[in-house]
Amino acid sequence: AIQMTQSPSSLSASVGDRVTITCRASQGIRDDLGWYQQKPGKVPKLLIFSTSNLHDGVPSRFSGSGSGTEFTLTITNLQPEDFATYYCLQDNKFPLTFGGGTKVEIK
Amino acid sequence: EVLLVESGGGLVRPGESLRLSCVASGFSFTSYTLHWVRQAPGKGLEWVSSISSSTTYKYYADSVTGRFTVSRDNANNSVHLHMNSLRADDTAVYYCARSSSTNYQLPHWGQGALVTVSS
Repeated sequence: AIQMTQSPSSLSASVGDRVTITCRASQGIRDDLGWYQQKPGKVPKLLIFSTSNLHDGVPSRFSGSGSGTEFTLTITNLQPEDFATYYCLQDNKFPLTFGGGTKVEIK
Repeated sequence: EVLLVESGGGLVRPGESLRLSCVASGFSFTSYTLHWVRQAPGKGLEWVSSISSSTTYKYYADSVTGRFTVSRDNANNSVHLHMNSLRADDTAVYYCARSSSTNYQLPHWGQGALVTVSS
């Protein structure tokens, strides 16, 4: 199975900051990666698919980049509603695999 | 509007069985792969199983292979997860999710069903 290593596991940031989260795949997955946001007690929401494509309704302050084995989610101008846990998911091969998550907390 | 509604969760003892169901509406059910994803209390997301639109392909996480079986009823717009030999570490919220049409990312999720395995 493809392992997805996500870092950091948590970070503290302030409103207005730029935040970067990384996922590394144990083997090449082309651009078959998505990013999700989950708030406590809520269902995960798809933010980005195919590495860099914003899902419908997702603010443009979210962006994704990368290819092969290293991928990045960037949030520019962090907003209060962005404090949440973020997960990557590779859909290149079954079994699908999630990263371990990154909790973005208020500094 | 895409709707996915899970049911069948509950409290069971280790070794027992349970069947989760997910009823879908708002889209052409036979056109999409459906998935089950779970989340143990306080933990991250774990993909569990997927079933293709025609039921030809079924996939499972190593942690559930041999114990869980996924099925779908295209006539009734439903997908099921049959869970046998349940263990304490199967305790989680189980989400039903639908892929997009061009990849296996998950834009649509149900609200989840809680499964608790405890003696």
